[in-house]
Amino acid sequence: SQQGEEDPQALSIQEGENATMNCSYKTSINNLQWYRQNSGRGLVHLILIRSNEREKHSGRLRVTLDTSKKSSSLLITASRAADTASYFCATVKSSGGSYIPTFGRGTSLIVHP
Amino acid sequence: DGGITQSPKYLFRKEGQNVTLSCEQNLNHDAMYWYRQDPGQGLRLIYYSQIVNDFQKGDIAEGYSVSREKKESFPLTVTSAQKNPTAFYLCASQGAGELFFGEGSRLTVL
Repeated sequence: SQQGEEDPQALSIQEGENATMNCSYKTSINNLQWYRQNSGRGLVHLILIRSNEREKHSGRLRVTLDTSKKSSSLLITASRAADTASYFCATVKSSGGSYIPTFGRGTSLIVHP
Repeated sequence: DGGITQSPKYLFRKEGQNVTLSCEQNLNHDAMYWYRQDPGQGLRLIYYSQIVNDFQKGDIAEGYSVSREKKESFPLTVTSAQKNPTAFYLCASQGAGELFFGEGSRLTVL
């Protein structure tokens, strides 16, 4: 079962613009993570936000978490062609002492130079 | 360098054959995972292991088997019982809450 669902499925922007991707989920979580995947490669961890946090920054990335709405957003500012990739959210909740990440379907981002 | 190594990167299999995908890590992580990725489906969990000699089924374990005899290694066998095995397989280990992924193995059934 997929806990998180990203929106939009695809996003096409020009270099220099901001890109915003959203993730909605259904049940309570311990933390939420965002990953990036270049075509045909493994995923790379971008940022982790805990359930008691509302916002985190890392370079050009800004992540927000609204547990009341069960949603998160990833903002990439001043996008570059090199940001072209798929972006996934992963929700993590406790299950019998384990913390299993569950992924959404991802947002495909294309940044045109 | 520390990381996750998956092999082979590409694998072709005839129907009815079992194949084993290798996953090795030198990050000293206890937890390891196998995910399957299909176009438009995101990542789905096949099996996971929190400690040596123990593993649990994920959401789509049917037709797959794993072992965890060493902390560093978590091989996945795709058996002939898996009806639609063509996919991209990703192995990961978990440390400090985040997942570290290998580069994936692409399996094609001919």
